[in-house]
Amino acid sequence: KQEVTQIPAALSVPEGENLVLNCSFTDSAIYNLQWFRQDPGKGLTSLLLIQSSQREQTSGRLNASLDKSSGRSTLYIAASQPGDSATYLCAVRGGNNRLAFGKGNQVVVIP
Amino acid sequence: EPEVTQTPSHQVTQMGQEVILRCVPISNHLYFYWYRQILGQKVEFLVSFYNNEISEKSEIFDDQFSVERPDGSNFTLKIRSTKLEDSAMYFCASSETPTGRELFFGSGTQLSVL
Repeated sequence: KQEVTQIPAALSVPEGENLVLNCSFTDSAIYNLQWFRQDPGKGLTSLLLIQSSQREQTSGRLNASLDKSSGRSTLYIAASQPGDSATYLCAVRGGNNRLAFGKGNQVVVIP
Repeated sequence: EPEVTQTPSHQVTQMGQEVILRCVPISNHLYFYWYRQILGQKVEFLVSFYNNEISEKSEIFDDQFSVERPDGSNFTLKIRSTKLEDSAMYFCASSETPTGRELFFGSGTQLSVL
């Protein structure tokens, strides 16, 4: 069974600092990995999708890397802003076509 | 931008009652899903649906749950006899393909069973 772990569970950074969020997964046989943003009591907003054959994806200030063989992904958010405060979820899609989620990295950006 | 729409946003029900959660997936998507998130826990898979039938379901998705695509646009999750432990945020999602494309999620229905 795929297990997804996200470290750290929570972090606070001053505005302008870069954020580094880590995700690890136990089964490297994945189709892709998706990063989501979740605001309190709200839905999941897709940020980036990395296919298993890719090493990284970028969108604006966001960059996600994938090392499938070691079961790791990292989400980098450059020059953080208070509006980046949210929970970031990592999810991997395996052969059973399910997304397996981590518990999230809860981020607070301090103005 | 196309989005997945869920109604209602909040649903309060008494234990033992039936509830139906509704979703309108993105129009050109063919694969539909329900996930749920119990407060403080991970988002977990319930069921996937394609071509008018369930393609996969989790251990959570027992006989109390059912899904349906009653027309060309709606996708529903029914819980026949709700239990306290069914209280959760329920998310509908859709995708163009089963594996290669992003899943897009709705904003969720917060179900509270009293």
